[in-house]
Amino acid sequence: NAGVTQTPKFRVLKTGQSMTLLCAQDMNHEYMYWYRQDPGMGLRLIHYSVGEGTTAKGEVPDGYNVSRLKKQNFLLGLESAAPSQTSVYFCASSYEPDRGSHEQYFGPGTRLTVT
Amino acid sequence: GIQVEQSPPDLILQEGANSTLRCNFSDSVNNLQWFHQNPWGQLINLFYIPSGTKQNGRLSATTVATERYSLLYISSSQTTDSGVYFCAVDRGGDDKIIFGKGTRLHILP
Repeated sequence: NAGVTQTPKFRVLKTGQSMTLLCAQDMNHEYMYWYRQDPGMGLRLIHYSVGEGTTAKGEVPDGYNVSRLKKQNFLLGLESAAPSQTSVYFCASSYEPDRGSHEQYFGPGTRLTVT
Repeated sequence: GIQVEQSPPDLILQEGANSTLRCNFSDSVNNLQWFHQNPWGQLINLFYIPSGTKQNGRLSATTVATERYSLLYISSSQTTDSGVYFCAVDRGGDDKIIFGKGTRLHILP
């Protein structure tokens, strides 16, 4: 199993540009999450999904959109990037109903810089 | 929402020392995890421990759900234990997972 993978690993954008971050998991998890991590702030939840076709807002959703068209993929979009969105973005997945486990697994992160 | 507080915020120890990290949470939770973020930024699962005690080598964790806290014990610290330790909780179902701000651990050789 590859676990949770993220693409790209690094990206530099100019203010106003758009991009999509892709998260994929092969553990058949129901739930998927996008977080951002800023220095001294810990991890903050952007958006999450409790199943294919569903999404919900987290703690800091403004400026981001998400989609979960397939169970194994969770996309994070920035329509018009701003310097305040410079951060490290982590994707995670969890919840195996058969085992009743909510253990969360993280991808390696995407380092995004907006100039 | 649930508040998660971790202490201490920073900890510097000599190699071989033992340490205890604490996670307090403000409401009942169904799920609690401990993670280690290594100096390269990778988040590694340590324990999934909504209640009780678990051990894995030099690390162990105890969660006392009724008193709303969890402890992570690291014995005989090694330099590879350096990094940030996070606690994360949620109330189950569709509830959001909330992370604490972490404890930064630095082990000196």
